[in-house]
Amino acid sequence: GDSVTQMEGPVTLSEEAFLTINCTYTATGYPSLFWYVQYPGEGLQLLLKATKADDKGSNKGFEATYRKETTSFHLEKGSVQVSDSAVYFCALTLPTSGTYKYIFGTGTRLKVLA
Amino acid sequence: GAGVSQSPSNKVTEKGKDVELRCDPISGHTALYWYRQSLGQGLEFLIYFQGNSAPDKSGLPSDRFSAERTGGSVSTLTIQRTQQEDSAVYLCASSPPRGLNYGYTFGSGTRLTVV
Repeated sequence: GDSVTQMEGPVTLSEEAFLTINCTYTATGYPSLFWYVQYPGEGLQLLLKATKADDKGSNKGFEATYRKETTSFHLEKGSVQVSDSAVYFCALTLPTSGTYKYIFGTGTRLKVLA
Repeated sequence: GAGVSQSPSNKVTEKGKDVELRCDPISGHTALYWYRQSLGQGLEFLIYFQGNSAPDKSGLPSDRFSAERTGGSVSTLTIQRTQQEDSAVYLCASSPPRGLNYGYTFGSGTRLTVV
């Protein structure tokens, strides 16, 4: 079945370090891919998205490129800040699914130290 | 309102009791979803409402779980005879009619603890 696999956390980095959070997927068809972020005590927020192969989603200095050949959508940021500490979820949805429900990864907790 | 509102934000209940969780979506959002987030787990889809169509209940884990959406707006998730394994954060999300590629807007969730 369709699924999303994320690297396990927690990921602990120093401020200004480079961030990569790996995400790979399995899907029948052509999914749209998303990254959501959940800050402490808050709901999930859409961070970025890509709807077709080779698209690059970007927001707040984060980027992810839809790689169909490797079925991946890795999240990257060149220089993290303490305020980026949160849980990051990779997700997919299939336009043909009818329900448009997301399939989420298990989340990766990022902790950035000053 | 400006966002998706969920209430209560926290609920502690005794095993065997029934609970109701409420979600008030963004005005005009025809799609409404319930997910469950258990400790150390990803988000588990529970149920989906879209306009006046029959809901997709395929994610409800047992017949103790039910949900309704009145007037195409507010939704209530009911858990009967709660069990300790029901302890989780229950998240509601809504999206506009063609929101597939625009993402959901999530509420802050209801943290349910069954003791």
